[in-house]
Amino acid sequence: DAMVIQNPRYQVTQFGKPVTLSCSQTLNHNVMYWYQQKSSQAPKLLFHYYDKDFNNEADTPDNFQSRRPNTSFCFLDIRSPGLGDAAMYLCATSRERADTQYFGPGTRLTVL
Amino acid sequence: GESVGLHLPTLSVQEGDNSIINCAYSNSASDYFIWYKQESGKGPQFIIDIRSNMDKRQGQRVTVLLNKTVKHLSLQIAATQPGDSAVYFCAENGGWDSNYKLTFGKGTLLTVNP
Repeated sequence: DAMVIQNPRYQVTQFGKPVTLSCSQTLNHNVMYWYQQKSSQAPKLLFHYYDKDFNNEADTPDNFQSRRPNTSFCFLDIRSPGLGDAAMYLCATSRERADTQYFGPGTRLTVL
Repeated sequence: GESVGLHLPTLSVQEGDNSIINCAYSNSASDYFIWYKQESGKGPQFIIDIRSNMDKRQGQRVTVLLNKTVKHLSLQIAATQPGDSAVYFCAENGGWDSNYKLTFGKGTLLTVNP
């Protein structure tokens, strides 16, 4: 089945130790998004790729980076995780930016 | 600033009853609205959407109503089941002016009592 896949589902890292989260999609969608969601809050957009064009939200910390090596894959790199970066990280895709976004299952990040 | 909000943070209903979840939005330029269901520990799941040129859309057991005059959106769930228990988010796509950014409401926790 076509879907949005995130790996790993649970990630534990140490304070300051770089971590990479992975997202892949079989929908062949042009747009891929990364959201951060903290407990009892709505998802917050970090950035998105429209094809190869990277679009960063103004309030996304420099600590967060992203890579999209091809249409199917997108990575979220957290260079120096702090305790405040513990959250659920959601990947989403849409065919075009005006279209419905479909979310993956998320990666729960714990920072020790 | 522009925002999408929900009137009720929690809603508790009896199994078999109908549920109504409300949402207010303030960006009159938004032309596309989506309801998502998010179960604990999972990603948001698309339920139903509506474009601004419509005022009603029906799916399986769900109906979305859009009132552009008062900038109000609602999700109606018929014959609510325990499996419907989740947090429900409304979201608006702000269109070209906002770089098609999806803005989420705060979420409503729906609890279905057996």
